[in-house]
Amino acid sequence: GNSVTQMEGPVTLSEEAFLTINCTYTATGYPSLFWYVQYPGEGLQLLLKATKADDKGSNKGFEATYRKETTSFHLEKGSVQVSDSAVYFCALKKDNTGKLIFGQGTTLQVKP
Amino acid sequence: EAGVTQFPSHSVIEKGQTVTLRCDPISGHDNLYWYRRVMGKEIKFLLHFVKESKQDESGMPNNRFLAERTGGTYSTLKVQPAELEDSGVYFCASSQAGGTGATGELFFGEGSRLTVL
Repeated sequence: GNSVTQMEGPVTLSEEAFLTINCTYTATGYPSLFWYVQYPGEGLQLLLKATKADDKGSNKGFEATYRKETTSFHLEKGSVQVSDSAVYFCALKKDNTGKLIFGQGTTLQVKP
Repeated sequence: EAGVTQFPSHSVIEKGQTVTLRCDPISGHDNLYWYRRVMGKEIKFLLHFVKESKQDESGMPNNRFLAERTGGTYSTLKVQPAELEDSGVYFCASSQAGGTGATGELFFGEGSRLTVL
């Protein structure tokens, strides 16, 4: 079946450090891939997405590239800030509905 | 414009009791989804409404869960009777179209945290 696996957290970094959160998926065909973020006290927000192989999604300094050969969609940011502290969810979607398959989430804590 | 709103934000009940969660989607969004995150695990799809009709309820865990969307506006999710394993965060999301493309993005609420003792 379809599934998403994320690296376990929590991830603790110092401000301005480089961030990578690994995400791999299992799916037939060509799913769309997403990263969602949940800041403390807020709802899930779409951070970025990619809909086909080799697409790069980017937003707020975050990037992720859809790698079909490695079935991965790793999230990266060159220099994290304290305000990036949140829970990050990788997700995939197989069809035209809003039925998303999420990973287990990775908590990021950035210390000043 | 108001986002997706959910209440209560947190509910603590005892095993065997009933709880009703409510979701108000963004005005004009025909699609409404319920998701659940149990014990820090992955967020799982529960069901999907298109207006007042259940389009897909394949993720509903059992018949103790009842979702409604009368009139195609707000939705309720009732758990009766609640069990310990029902504890978690219940998210609601809405979208204008099928969830793809610029107009189909899912907008999530803050979630309703349910604790069953």
